[in-house]
Amino acid sequence: AQTIHQWPVAEIKAVGSPLSLGCTIKGKSSPNLYWYWQATGGTLQQLFYSITVGQVESVVQLNLSASRPKDDQFILSTEKLLLSHSGFYLCAWSLGDTQYFGPGTRLLVL
Amino acid sequence: GDQVEQSPSALSLHEGTGSALRCNFTTTMRAVQWFRKNSRGSLINLFYLASGTKENGRLKSAFDSKERYSTLHIRDAQLEDSGTYFCAAEGGDYNQGKLIFGQGTKLSIKP
Repeated sequence: AQTIHQWPVAEIKAVGSPLSLGCTIKGKSSPNLYWYWQATGGTLQQLFYSITVGQVESVVQLNLSASRPKDDQFILSTEKLLLSHSGFYLCAWSLGDTQYFGPGTRLLVL
Repeated sequence: GDQVEQSPSALSLHEGTGSALRCNFTTTMRAVQWFRKNSRGSLINLFYLASGTKENGRLKSAFDSKERYSTLHIRDAQLEDSGTYFCAAEGGDYNQGKLIFGQGTKLSIKP
């Protein structure tokens, strides 16, 4: 069974519209959670990390926010999308060392 | 800031041969992970190293924190090894678990 799920698989959204991407982890207790983003042609970079429920640290400012409402859930969101938000979003988990990545969400902002 | 330079950006090998990918770091890193990108764009774990070497089948990786580099060796390359490989280093700062990615190496295996 897959440990990490991301939704949606892909989205096409309009500039200025809101966004919510989700990530859930199954079968792991209190994992560290991460959001990564890769612009088309760019390098993957970490956006947020969380080591516990309700606590999220921002790594890169991209007019996005993240929340961890439950131990097994990590949400990435914004109220107003920019063209520059297009790309591939990956959620990852770890229990201290190795990070394991989800299947990703591809976002196109028009 | 911390940087990871991965080389080569592209590599073409004939089946049965081997080569190495390399990542150089601008600062001391605590650990390195190697990944391969799957068909959907997500990352498959190959290795995690905090030091030394690890081997798995035809792949072998090494990490030298002091000398600031890591390598991924592929031997007896097969057609199914084609794909894009990434290294990612974990910095030694307060940000727990921040992986800094290399730019990737596109590996093509030819018959």
